[in-house]
Amino acid sequence: KAGVTQTPRYLIKTRGQQVTLSCSPISGHRSVSWYQQTPGQGLQFLFEYFSETQRNKGNFPGRFSGRQFSNSRSEMNVSTLELGDSALYLCASNKQGTDTQYFGPGTRLTVL
Amino acid sequence: GENVEQHPSTLSVQEGDSAVIKCTYSDSASNYFPWYKQELGKRPQLIIDIRSNVGEKKDQRIAVTLNKTAKHFSLHITETQPEDSAVYFCAASRYNNNDMRFGAGTRLTVKP
Repeated sequence: KAGVTQTPRYLIKTRGQQVTLSCSPISGHRSVSWYQQTPGQGLQFLFEYFSETQRNKGNFPGRFSGRQFSNSRSEMNVSTLELGDSALYLCASNKQGTDTQYFGPGTRLTVL
Repeated sequence: GENVEQHPSTLSVQEGDSAVIKCTYSDSASNYFPWYKQELGKRPQLIIDIRSNVGEKKDQRIAVTLNKTAKHFSLHITETQPEDSAVYFCAASRYNNNDMRFGAGTRLTVKP
């Protein structure tokens, strides 16, 4: 089975711009979670989508949003980028009824 | 919300020695505790997990113990090898809730 994939792998943006990241879960996995990883804050939960609905949300400002499509692919969007949004954005998928999350390779976002 | 603390932040051992990493959690409702290994530039990979109905789990050189009363769990790696060098993260979540909270990570270095 193919693993979780994320596109793009690297992205450079400037302050004030917006960005959209994409995540394709493992086939059959309907839950997709997003995490932000930075050296200072570590791995932080952003939100989770299941069946096209946001099921959980972490403590991030409204500039961070997401959605999920009927094929379980998910996107996250960050508007009005700030320097502090520079991070590795990881998505993870899991099967309904199981706890184990499998991570994608991440998208490295750099905000200049 | 859940708060996970992880110690130590760095750990250096000689090849063949054992390594122990400890985590504590605050939410008594948490019942799923995975451990992830992240090598430089790569995605976090699940190496072992434990659920709250089990006190210990072992997989070859890796073992995890859980003390629900004290709300702490530990990762034990025996007969360490240089390829065990990586950052290890503990995490905690409630069943069927993918809002996973991570520890800050432990950078393990195994010296040949």
